[in-house]
Amino acid sequence: ETGVTQTPRHLVMGMTNKKSLKCEQHLGHNAMYWYKQSAKKPLELMFVYSLEERVENNSVPSRFSPECPNSSHLFLHLHTLQPEDSALYLCASSQERGAGRLDYGYTFGSGTRLTVV
Amino acid sequence: RKEVEQDPGPFNVPEGATVAFNCTYSNSASQSFFWYRQDCRKEPKLLMSVYSSGNEDGRFTAQLNRASQYISLLIRDSKLSDSATYLCVVQAGTLTFGKGTMLLVSP
Repeated sequence: ETGVTQTPRHLVMGMTNKKSLKCEQHLGHNAMYWYKQSAKKPLELMFVYSLEERVENNSVPSRFSPECPNSSHLFLHLHTLQPEDSALYLCASSQERGAGRLDYGYTFGSGTRLTVV
Repeated sequence: RKEVEQDPGPFNVPEGATVAFNCTYSNSASQSFFWYRQDCRKEPKLLMSVYSSGNEDGRFTAQLNRASQYISLLIRDSKLSDSATYLCVVQAGTLTFGKGTMLLVSP
């Protein structure tokens, strides 16, 4: 089983729909992240969870709502999205060490390619 | 000023060529540095961490100059399978990604 699993792989939704993206990590990591990747832009950090507590929210609109029920699972609840929200949504996990230093970076899931119509 | 800035690319090189990627970062408090590789329509994957002393992994050599806030990646004897986008990544807290530089290796 891969380290970080995301479902679904592809999602098409209307602007009035409600859907959720799911992420599961099997690496025993203590931090999880949601990133957005749009065409011709760098990855944008959306949310950070450390030990199941949200520690960062990068001015993300409220139509995106994260949930972290335990250290292995992360959800991104979507509602009333806009077409410009169409992007690749990537989940990642990491093992935070002393002073937050990373030696091994993040492990990413395969992403959910979201299209809002 | 962008937090992590990379060559815009794409780089088109023949097999066997040596190619160098450059990256600069703006946050002097950055702690860790990485190069990631992202294949088309796939997730980013860690290629290598970058250390001040420089480090090598086979055909890949990474260098860090903290004083200049500059990171580089050198690929020697490039292969067709090296074709991908190379992302410069810097950690000050969470990871900050550059836009990436696409490499196309042709026969």
